[in-house]
Amino acid sequence: RKEVEQDPGPFNVPEGATVAFNCTYSNSASQSFFWYRQDCRKEPKLLMSVYSSGNEDGRFTAQLNRASQYISLLIRDSKLSDSATYLCVVNFGAAGNKLTFGGGTRVLVKP
Amino acid sequence: NAGVTQTPKFQVLKTGQSMTLQCAQDMNHNSMYWYRQDPGMGLRLIYYSASEGTTDKGEVPNGYNVSRLNKREFSLRLESAAPSQTSVYFCAGAGLAGTHDWDEQFFGPGTRLTVL
Repeated sequence: RKEVEQDPGPFNVPEGATVAFNCTYSNSASQSFFWYRQDCRKEPKLLMSVYSSGNEDGRFTAQLNRASQYISLLIRDSKLSDSATYLCVVNFGAAGNKLTFGGGTRVLVKP
Repeated sequence: NAGVTQTPKFQVLKTGQSMTLQCAQDMNHNSMYWYRQDPGMGLRLIYYSASEGTTDKGEVPNGYNVSRLNKREFSLRLESAAPSQTSVYFCAGAGLAGTHDWDEQFFGPGTRLTVL
């Protein structure tokens, strides 16, 4: 079983709709959590950190459920520019502050 | 600030050739990382350097070597390239004093390597 698992998608989303997807992680001692965004043929970039209380940044909302070991990302009022691959990333507390990346969830927003 | 830069952007090698991928950062990161990204596999850590003067193996280190030349530079060397090393390689830096997300990683633009 992979340490960080994501539904690869694609999630086909009409423009203006809401889309949500989850990521599960295997280690209950995980320290910190992130969502990164990766555009086609580009480098990953931090979208948002995920805090225990949940957090929101504009149209994006991230939630953490430690009991069930998953994090979620919700995108409201989807824009065409939201089309990308969203990477779930976990710091399991390993030496060197290493991050473990999920395989990514592809989102396609269509007019 | 240029952030994290990588050279070259593209490279084609023949099996058995060697090359060094360069990475430099001007963000004063303590830690630096080399990843490879293959379709369906996500990002996999090759080597990392938690601080200047130290390097450690990641998940897939075989066939690679690294050098943390100074705080700014972290290079990845392929001594004898193999077709299985065809991939996109990303360098990243992390660890900024005084920031909340001290483990947030900042990535370079990547090097697309093809080994024939």
